[in-house]
Amino acid sequence: AQSVTQLGSHVSVSEGALVLLRCNYSSSVPPYLFWYVQYPNQGLQLLLKYTSAATLVKGINGFEAEFKKSETSFHLTKPSAHMSDAAEYFCAVSLYSSASKIIFGSGTRLSIRP
Amino acid sequence: NAGVTQTPKFRILKIGQSMTLQCTQDMNHNYMYWYRQDPGMGLKLIYYSVGAGITDKGEVPNGYNVSRSTTEDFPLRLELAAPSQTSVYFCATLGERTEEQYFGPGTRLTVT
Repeated sequence: AQSVTQLGSHVSVSEGALVLLRCNYSSSVPPYLFWYVQYPNQGLQLLLKYTSAATLVKGINGFEAEFKKSETSFHLTKPSAHMSDAAEYFCAVSLYSSASKIIFGSGTRLSIRP
Repeated sequence: NAGVTQTPKFRILKIGQSMTLQCTQDMNHNYMYWYRQDPGMGLKLIYYSVGAGITDKGEVPNGYNVSRSTTEDFPLRLELAAPSQTSVYFCATLGERTEEQYFGPGTRLTVT
């Protein structure tokens, strides 16, 4: 069965520092992988997705993620954090593009220190 | 283009009461979903629909019902509300061409 694990429920970085949010997945077949962002009192918004094309995926707001099959990881990074990046981030995995079998991780809250 | 809209934004129910959470989309998407989000947890799929007249259970369907009479609307019905249903509920659609899910702003429900 597919699953996704986000390491660290809360990550705090200084403004301008590297952001690294970790996500590991478990899947018996090549998965589709997603990162979503949720700002306070809002729904989720897609940051980026991996669908078996390039292993390095670039998303919105300067975020990117690299699919590493050998490590079953899909970590989210941003070279320089901005105060507006403070939000909850969710990694998700799906075996099918219909999204009916999307499994979400428990989320990582990102805080940015001035 | 309003996207996905949900009403109400907030609601407090007493145990045993019933209510319907409304979800409407204007993107002409076939796929629609209902999720619940509990504190510190990811989203759990309650029900989904692949088109008008077709619905199916997700991971946590007990205590809920849905219908899909039109492409635009996908209401979620809570019968006999219980404290365990206190949560934030999100409706979402899927852009089949983009494979991207589009979420509504959520309904915060408290059952006391």
